[in-house]
Amino acid sequence: GDSVTQMEGPVTLSEEAFLTINCTYTATGYPSLFWYVQYPGEGLQLLLKATKADDKGSNKGFEATYRKETTSFHLEKGSVQVSDSAVYFCALSDLNAGGTSYGKLTFGQGTILTVHP
Amino acid sequence: NAGVTQTPKFQVLKTGQSMTLQCAQDMNHEYMSWYRQDPGMGLRLIHYSVGAGITDQGEVPNGYNVSRSTTEDFPLRLLSAAPSQTSVYFCASSRRGARRYSPLHFGNGTRLTVT
Repeated sequence: GDSVTQMEGPVTLSEEAFLTINCTYTATGYPSLFWYVQYPGEGLQLLLKATKADDKGSNKGFEATYRKETTSFHLEKGSVQVSDSAVYFCALSDLNAGGTSYGKLTFGQGTILTVHP
Repeated sequence: NAGVTQTPKFQVLKTGQSMTLQCAQDMNHEYMSWYRQDPGMGLRLIHYSVGAGITDQGEVPNGYNVSRSTTEDFPLRLLSAAPSQTSVYFCASSRRGARRYSPLHFGNGTRLTVT
């Protein structure tokens, strides 16, 4: 079956440091890839997406590139802020035989990011 | 715009009790789903629905029932609560649209403790 593996956390950084959170996946089909973010006490929010190989998703200074050859979708940000402290989830949405995903996602275990001033 | 609304926010049950977690969305989304979030395991799919009257099992369905009588509502029922069901539960919805892009809209979660 499908699976997503994220780097283990927690990750602690100082403000303005560079961030990388690794994510690799296995899928039976050709998935779409997502990063979701969860702020304390809230539900998950879509951060960025990529739907085909070599696509780069970006939002709020975060970027991730869909690498089919290495089955990876690593999240990066050049300069983190205290407000980026949250839990980050990598996820994939695979298509079934009928060509739809029905909104089902497979999630990684999540990476807790803490940014200090 | 309310989005996805879950109630209650917190709940404590004793082993063997039953309860229903409520979920409602006002975006006219066709797809709805329930996930549970446990430390170190990310989110795992419990049940999902592709429209009113149609539901199916996800990765961890045992101990949970669902039904979908309307597009807006997708309640999750625990028939006989067990300590292993202590978790944070999230309801999500998404539209039927582009096949390769189905972002989920999440509620704020229900934190359930079973003693």
